[in-house]
Amino acid sequence: SQQGEEDPQALSIQEGENATMNCSYKTSINNLQWYRQNSGRGLVHLILIRSNEREKHSGRLRVTLDTSKKSSSLLITASRAADTASYFCASEGETGANNLFFGTGTRLTVIP
Amino acid sequence: EAGVAQSPRYKIIEKRQSVAFWCNPISGHATLYWYQQILGQGPKLLIQFQNNGVVDDSQLPKDRFSAERLKGVDSTLKIQPAKLEDSAVYLCASSYRLDYEQYFGPGTRLTVT
Repeated sequence: SQQGEEDPQALSIQEGENATMNCSYKTSINNLQWYRQNSGRGLVHLILIRSNEREKHSGRLRVTLDTSKKSSSLLITASRAADTASYFCASEGETGANNLFFGTGTRLTVIP
Repeated sequence: EAGVAQSPRYKIIEKRQSVAFWCNPISGHATLYWYQQILGQGPKLLIQFQNNGVVDDSQLPKDRFSAERLKGVDSTLKIQPAKLEDSAVYLCASSYRLDYEQYFGPGTRLTVT
């Protein structure tokens, strides 16, 4: 299976703290994407990092990519209760056909 | 801009019955995807269409699952006959083209008893 894994499976922090989630994948990629899924809602695209990039920022989100280790991390700074959700990484293979392989997800709970 | 629409939102059937899901992608989006998300796991791609042609269906259990995208717009995913392990949320997504961001619908939660 090409599905990746995320670590930790669950994370609970206080509002205002930073949250870091890690993702590992198995094959060479074209890009890696992070998604958020709130309970009972669909997936929302957060950020995309290409294989030739090492770091990318978007608002309170910071994503890093290490292709030599086949891993990525998502940092959410100054967390808010509204950030409570499941976060998934999804890798797109080198075929460029936009086939996404999702990780197992990290369940983040931000306590007000 | 309207998002990806899916129906029904919930469906409960008995094993060996048939079920169909419908998806209406964002207007103008050429690429459409169906994913299966089992509880506690990430979504798994079942099939990908580019207009009305299949790009990838390598993970679609073709003995029981089928999908079509007539006229390159709406799509239906069918399961016949359903098994207990088909209980999952079925997500539809669309993108403007192959290399563009995917937008997901709210999903259909299927329970097979």
